[in-house]
Amino acid sequence: TQLLEQSPQFLSIQEGENLTVYCNSSSVFSSLQWYRQEPGEGPVLLVTVVTGGEVKKLKRLTFQFGDARKDSSLHITAAQPGDTGLYLCAGARNNQGGKLIFGQGTELSVKP
Amino acid sequence: GAVVSQHPSRVICKSGTSVKIECRSLDFQATTMFWYRQFPKKSLMLMATSNEGSKATYEQGVEKDKFLINHASLTLSTLTVTSAHPEDSSFYICSAGTSFQYFGPGTRLTVT
Repeated sequence: TQLLEQSPQFLSIQEGENLTVYCNSSSVFSSLQWYRQEPGEGPVLLVTVVTGGEVKKLKRLTFQFGDARKDSSLHITAAQPGDTGLYLCAGARNNQGGKLIFGQGTELSVKP
Repeated sequence: GAVVSQHPSRVICKSGTSVKIECRSLDFQATTMFWYRQFPKKSLMLMATSNEGSKATYEQGVEKDKFLINHASLTLSTLTVTSAHPEDSSFYICSAGTSFQYFGPGTRLTVT
């Protein structure tokens, strides 16, 4: 059973298009993190959201944490080829010592 | 920001031999580190939680005698793949941190 459902798992779009990646769960998380990973490298933290309803923006990326802290989304505006990579959401729960539950990942390809 | 290093970045070993991978937190102390395994274009799969000064906690289905973990200091955890076989070939990533997880750059293991 996947505790954190991430979709879509694959996305191929043209430069300039917008996209949204979703992470959904039936469980409540104390925080949720989004990472971006390039081939052969470790994941790089993009943002952490901790408050229900929270919205954070990072240039063209907008991250939202659901009011109930069970879901999150990542929206990219005017995607660029440099956005290509594997995007991972990961949730943390209280009293788990930092252990993360990962979604399946979204492989994004932005074509020029 | 916090930095986590891994060594080696790539290793090729023969079937039946053992290989050790190091994970270091460079500018902070980590009582807990995590080891993951990742297959191409897939998400991270948690293998075990490395606890400084005590035994590691393994996830279901991960053989503790196969993947030996030692966390002898607050800045170093090691993962030893014993009697490696071609099916152990993978990308191994460690992370450290509690509020936020910082990931190492990964180690590509190829068993021939």
